[in-house]
Order: sequence, then structure tokens, then C-alpha cells
Amino acid sequence: QVQLQESGPGLVKPSETLSLTCAVSGYSISSGYYWGWIRQPPGKGLEWIGSIYHSGSTYYNPSLKSRVTISVDTSKNQFSLKLSSVTAADTAVYYCARQDRATGPAPICYFDYWGQGTLVTVSS
Amino acid sequence: SYELTQPPSVSVSPGQTARITCSGDALPKQYAYWYQQKPGQAPVLVIYKDSERPSGIPERFSGSSSGTTVTLTISGVQAEDEADYYCQSADSSGTYEVVFGGGTKLTVL
Repeated sequence: QVQLQESGPGLVKPSETLSLTCAVSGYSISSGYYWGWIRQPPGKGLEWIGSIYHSGSTYYNPSLKSRVTISVDTSKNQFSLKLSSVTAADTAVYYCARQDRATGPAPICYFDYWGQGTLVTVSS
Repeated sequence: SYELTQPPSVSVSPGQTARITCSGDALPKQYAYWYQQKPGQAPVLVIYKDSERPSGIPERFSGSSSGTTVTLTISGVQAEDEADYYCQSADSSGTYEVVFGGGTKLTVL
């Protein structure tokens, strides 16, 4: 069974960088699939942040691209998120998820396994 | 940027059929996916590729597509189906930017 677990600080100061890690078990990141980050502000909807392939290929939400870096460490079977220059608007539950993605004539992209989520609050 | 539009809320009585729509210009070219999210829990995929159901998802959940609108149908709604439902797709411009709808709160009366 594929399992994902987010970890990282629950409180980040404004203007600083938010850093989270997602540990994957039950599946080797090197075997394939994309791996993504999604967030959900309190009481609001889901927002995709970005995704990464085991090779390191990434694609990001254009609205966040200037502040986001997603990286992968296949030796530890985990991937990470960095979001810089955070403000209160970045307060959210952050989820990591496995993403089935394929481009071409019949493109697909959906998230089939999710972590439980971790709340990150931006406050001084 | 690309948007998917869902009604904020849908209400049905137990045993009835609930239909939740999602509209977007790229839906004729891109598959849609549906997630169920209960309070305090992570989303769960209930429909993928417009109408396919993952293993473990009850048969009462089904999906359909027509033009720029996709629909999640829950037949014989049960109290446990009360949740937020999100559609998801991607833009068709070549960037495959992932987009979520705003979510629909399903209330079982």
C-alpha cells in the first residue's frame, strides 16, 4: 500500500521560506509517476502547487512559480517543497500526493494517493 | 488562467440521486477527475478519466461528460456521502497545468 507522510515546521514567519518533506513508503519514487504538492487554506478549496518526476523534471502552478521549488531525493524515497517569501495568505494545509500523469493524445493527470496533510501557519 | 466552475452546494434526501456539475472550456479535450473530502481528511479519488471508478469506490458513484460539462452522479445517496466534492482537470494549452474546481458541499438532508 502506497503511503505518503508530510513533515516540517507548523509555524513559519512572514517573508521566510516554508519547507516541507514528503516521505513515501510502499512504492519507489524511482519506479515512476509524478509526485505533487497541493494546499488548502482553512475553509477554502484545493490549489495545486506543483509536481516533480523522479528524474527531477518539474512543472508548477504559474501563480506560484516564482516562489516554488520542488526537489526529489530518490535515495531517501522522498520529495520536498520550498515556498519562499511567505505571507499570511500561504497559511494552509499542505498535502503531498502521487500523481498519475501522461501527456499526448489522451493526457491524464490525477492524484491517486494522498498524505494526511500538515497545517502550516504563517505568523510572526 | 483556466478555471473549473462548480455549484457551491447541493442538497438531497437519503436514497435520492445527487448530481454535481463541473464546467470548463477545456473539458472536451481533457479528462476530469473527482475527489471526495470529508472534514479533517485528505481528498479521496472517486472518479478518474471522466467516468472510471477506482477500486473500492461504491458503484453508486458514477461520472459522465458532455461538451464543456462533466457530472458526478451519486445514486441512492447515503448519509456517509455528505462531504465536499472537487473536480480536477488540466488546461489544454500544452502546459498541463492542474486545476481544481472550487468545490461543492453535498448535504444529505
